[in-house]
Amino acid sequence: RKEVEQDPGPFNVPEGATVAFNCTYSNSASQSFFWYRQDCRKEPKLLMSVYSSGNEDGRFTAQLNRASQYISLLIRDSKLSDSATYLCVVRYSTLTFGKGTMLLVSP
Amino acid sequence: EAGVAQSPRYKIIEKRQSVAFWCNPISGHATLYWYQQILGQGPKLLIQFQNNGVVDDSQLPKDRFSAERLKGVDSTLKIQPAKLEDSAVYLCASSTAGNEAFFGQGTRLTVV
Repeated sequence: RKEVEQDPGPFNVPEGATVAFNCTYSNSASQSFFWYRQDCRKEPKLLMSVYSSGNEDGRFTAQLNRASQYISLLIRDSKLSDSATYLCVVRYSTLTFGKGTMLLVSP
Repeated sequence: EAGVAQSPRYKIIEKRQSVAFWCNPISGHATLYWYQQILGQGPKLLIQFQNNGVVDDSQLPKDRFSAERLKGVDSTLKIQPAKLEDSAVYLCASSTAGNEAFFGQGTRLTVV
């Protein structure tokens, strides 16, 4: 079983749609969780941290379920500029990245 | 605040040649990571330093890859000899303990 698994994608959605990404992790002792965004041919950049109580940043909502070892990211009212690859990241002793899920938002 | 600096941005070498990448982390960040990202995949950790000590190098192909972080600041990653499958983007990142990592722009290596 891979340490961090994400939906394979790509997700093709129209502008204004709501889209959800799922991620599971194998190490129950993992301590911190993040979503990163990576644009084509660019470096990954932190989108948001994920807290046990869930957290929201504008159109983005992240949730963590430690019992199920599951993390999610919800994007509401998708914009063209949201097109990117979304990487699920889990920290135990180091930062482990998922393979990423590509999102394509079309007009 | 200056970000993570990496050089070179691009490198093309022939197989069996050697290559070195350099990284200067954000000032004050004790943790430094080197990741390898092959097209279409997520970043894969090669090595993690805490100051100048190695925390994790379990996925570093030690027969050909080496890395050092002298004085606990900047770091170099070397490949010798390179193989075709080493073609990838090499990303350096840094963080403070337990927090999110910040990435440099990466070095795009092509081995021909």
